[in-house]
Amino acid sequence: EPEVTQTPSHQVTQMGQEVILRCVPISNHLYFYWYRQILGQKVEFLVSFYNNEISEKSEIFDDQFSVERPDGSNFTLKIRSTKLEDSAMYFCASSEGVQGEAFFGQGTRLTVV
Amino acid sequence: AQTVTQSQPEMSVQEAETVTLSCTYDTSESNYYLFWYKQPPSRQMILVIRQEAYKQQNATENRFSVNFQKAAKSFSLKISDSQLGDTAMYFCAFMKHGTGGADGLTFGKGTHLIIQP
Repeated sequence: EPEVTQTPSHQVTQMGQEVILRCVPISNHLYFYWYRQILGQKVEFLVSFYNNEISEKSEIFDDQFSVERPDGSNFTLKIRSTKLEDSAMYFCASSEGVQGEAFFGQGTRLTVV
Repeated sequence: AQTVTQSQPEMSVQEAETVTLSCTYDTSESNYYLFWYKQPPSRQMILVIRQEAYKQQNATENRFSVNFQKAAKSFSLKISDSQLGDTAMYFCAFMKHGTGGADGLTFGKGTHLIIQP
């Protein structure tokens, strides 16, 4: 069964460093998403991406964040100058259509120290 | 903006019992989708069930069913014959019916469901 894969599963980084979280969406899906879940809190929408550009973004997704689809398979989230409060689980998701079911990856746990 | 409220932080039932998880939401949209996602200890988000707001019939998936009350903006999840594997966090989520933009899901804070043997 096709699935969304995320790497790495856990990333530890020093405060102020840049990190890139990687995702491989399901191959025939057209819409890609990033969500964040701070430990013990709800899942929050960050950004959606379609046709090689950002479609929607939340107020969390400020200039510190960027997304890219560098090739035909990967979808990345870059966090510049990480802060302690960026520590969270980051989920990538993809869907076939704009109203289709979103399939989630297993997440990347980001720890900023 | 929409909000999703899950008022039960944690629930515990015996195996084989039926349990209902509550969810209310607030929106000015008339067309939207509602979802229940399950997050087991592995942390992956798994879709349990989905409801289109324009459909009056409540969605059902095997042991999982919803009670969708559009006027009351209520969307509860009923799990029948609960199993140990149902132990997980359950999130209620809302997505508006967009006209082109890929709107994200708005999640509630979740209910931790524990199935006791």
